[in-house]
Amino acid sequence: GAVVSQHPSWVICKSGTSVKIECRSLDFQATTMFWYRQFPKQSLMLMATSNEGSKATYEQGVEKDKFLINHASLTLSTLTVTSAHPEDSSFYICSAGRLAGPYYEQYFGPGTRLTVT
Amino acid sequence: ILNVEQSPQSLHVQEGDSTNFTCSFPSSNFYALHWYRWETAKSPEALFVMTLNGDEKKKGRISATLNTKEGYSYLYIKGSQPEDSATYLCAFNPGSARQLTFGSGTQLTVLP
Repeated sequence: GAVVSQHPSWVICKSGTSVKIECRSLDFQATTMFWYRQFPKQSLMLMATSNEGSKATYEQGVEKDKFLINHASLTLSTLTVTSAHPEDSSFYICSAGRLAGPYYEQYFGPGTRLTVT
Repeated sequence: ILNVEQSPQSLHVQEGDSTNFTCSFPSSNFYALHWYRWETAKSPEALFVMTLNGDEKKKGRISATLNTKEGYSYLYIKGSQPEDSATYLCAFNPGSARQLTFGSGTQLTVLP
């Protein structure tokens, strides 16, 4: 159990266009999902916490108008990179959270490699 | 800003060798420390959640220890196999927050 899918796994887009990435919890409901970004040789950096039915909470330095997050159902959160630029090229990965016994666990998707040309 | 560091950054070992790596994290406001294994092109897989000082957890040939007073955790792999090749991530969970702060990982390559 606790499988999270993420689509697409990779995408190439032209500068100025928008790209949507989907994160789905396949076999459980997740009231909270998380979006991370990873630069080469660096750690996963939390971008935002996505809460079902309410606005996402963005980390300091993350532009909420640039990275639109929608969590419309208990199994789906989307990240839209608007007006993408080459500096947005990165690896984006989501996780879905749930209680696993006494602990709160995050279960990850496989990630999306975005290249903006 | 929470500082979570992992060392070494990368490691090559021969099949059958045992190995270990370190995660250091803030010793104050500790709630939990997570270990994940991340194979290329796959999702990070949860290995352990550690919460108590002195905790030791084991899963097959992989084990982990926790020292919350000094702020470090060790991950051990006994008799490494090529299928153990992956990046091992630790993540610090402060207070009762649900957010995780990740280290940059240790990339392990086990040579046959």
